[in-house]
Amino acid sequence: QQQVKQSPQSLIVQKGGISIINCAYENTAFDYFPWYQQFPGKGPALLIAIRPDVSEKKEGRFTISFNKSAKQFSLHIMDSQPGDSATYFCAASMLGGATNKLIFGTGTLLAVQP
Amino acid sequence: DGGITQSPKYLFRKEGQNVTLSCEQNLNHDAMYWYRQDPGQGLRLIYYSQIVNDFQKGDIAEGYSVSREKKESFPLTVTSAQKNPTAFYLCASSITGVRETQYFGPGTRLLVL
Repeated sequence: QQQVKQSPQSLIVQKGGISIINCAYENTAFDYFPWYQQFPGKGPALLIAIRPDVSEKKEGRFTISFNKSAKQFSLHIMDSQPGDSATYFCAASMLGGATNKLIFGTGTLLAVQP
Repeated sequence: DGGITQSPKYLFRKEGQNVTLSCEQNLNHDAMYWYRQDPGQGLRLIYYSQIVNDFQKGDIAEGYSVSREKKESFPLTVTSAQKNPTAFYLCASSITGVRETQYFGPGTRLLVL
């Protein structure tokens, strides 16, 4: 119940295309869902985050879609660019949870071809 | 510049040796975290600390130890009890609790000789 399942493991998209990464969770107590971007040899950096009281959040070319009933959330990268090539992690946490921690997905390696 | 520094960038450990990874932050954050990253397994929490002189075990604390004597410092020791230490180690910090944005350092890659 503590897991966050992320797919696909890797993704190849042409420049200008849409990249879509999906995550699913079981624990309905999760109430914070961030996405992190990691470039090779670097630490992850927060990209965008959403709470379950909204179904969508957009920041520039990056959009999180959230489906509370399906317990799924996804990251959409519009007009994908070669500079977006990185590993993306979804995560989840819960307010007041006993573990008080972020649960990370296994990551998606995105390659945007020029 | 504010941020998180980790040193060294690469670290080599011999069999039976304890090694310590450094993590320093000048963001004035209360909470600090250590994660281990292995290919295909995402980030797994080793230890975290929400306040000076206090820390809690994460999911994979066995074979690791930490201390939090100063707000800005959270060193991680990989002990000889950790039988598979080869990984990329990431330190992070946040203002307070885990639901605040976590800021990550550049990481330390630990290799076993």
